[in-house]
Amino acid sequence: KQEVTQIPAALSVPEGENLVLNCSFTDSAIYNLQWFRQDPGKGLTSLLLIQSSQREQTSGRLNASLDKSSGRSTLYIAASQPGDSATYLCAVRDNYGQNFVFGPGTRLSVLP
Amino acid sequence: GAVVSQHPSRVICKSGTSVKIECRSLDFQATTMFWYRQFPKQSLMLMATSNEGSKATYEQGVEKDKFLINHASLTLSTLTVTSAHPEDSSFYICSARDSLAGINEQFFGPGTRLTVL
Repeated sequence: KQEVTQIPAALSVPEGENLVLNCSFTDSAIYNLQWFRQDPGKGLTSLLLIQSSQREQTSGRLNASLDKSSGRSTLYIAASQPGDSATYLCAVRDNYGQNFVFGPGTRLSVLP
Repeated sequence: GAVVSQHPSRVICKSGTSVKIECRSLDFQATTMFWYRQFPKQSLMLMATSNEGSKATYEQGVEKDKFLINHASLTLSTLTVTSAHPEDSSFYICSARDSLAGINEQFFGPGTRLTVL
């Protein structure tokens, strides 16, 4: 059974810092991996989707990498801003199912 | 991008009553929709997979008689929480897969906050 973990559980940084969020999964037979952002009491916003054949994806200040063999992904946020404050969720989909297995999330606070 | 809506966004009900939550794909057809539940400060947990025109598939530990799912059309799935209890209070999120786009992407709704008194 696929399990997804995220480290750290919470992170507080001053504005402008570059930061890395980590995601690990136990079964490397994944279809894709996706990073989401969730604001308090809100739904999910998709940030980056990495197919199993890809190594990384970039969008603006965000860069996500995938090392499928080691079961790891990182989300890099450059020049963090207070508006980046949210919970970041990592989710994987396997080759058989269509649904996501979510990690517990990292709660990020960027202080002005 | 594709839009998924949920209604209501927030509902408060008394213990013992039933609550229906709707999930709609607004600009695409979705043969498959998924229902997730999220307790405070926890991640999303899949409850069930809803397939248009057939019975839903429930995850282990989710009571199918308590959480009734109907997916009668390609754009609408409903989740009915029957005889709700305070422990059912949670954030319910649906997602929908675009039938024509393959399984590459799913689109999430904004969620429904259920509070059972």
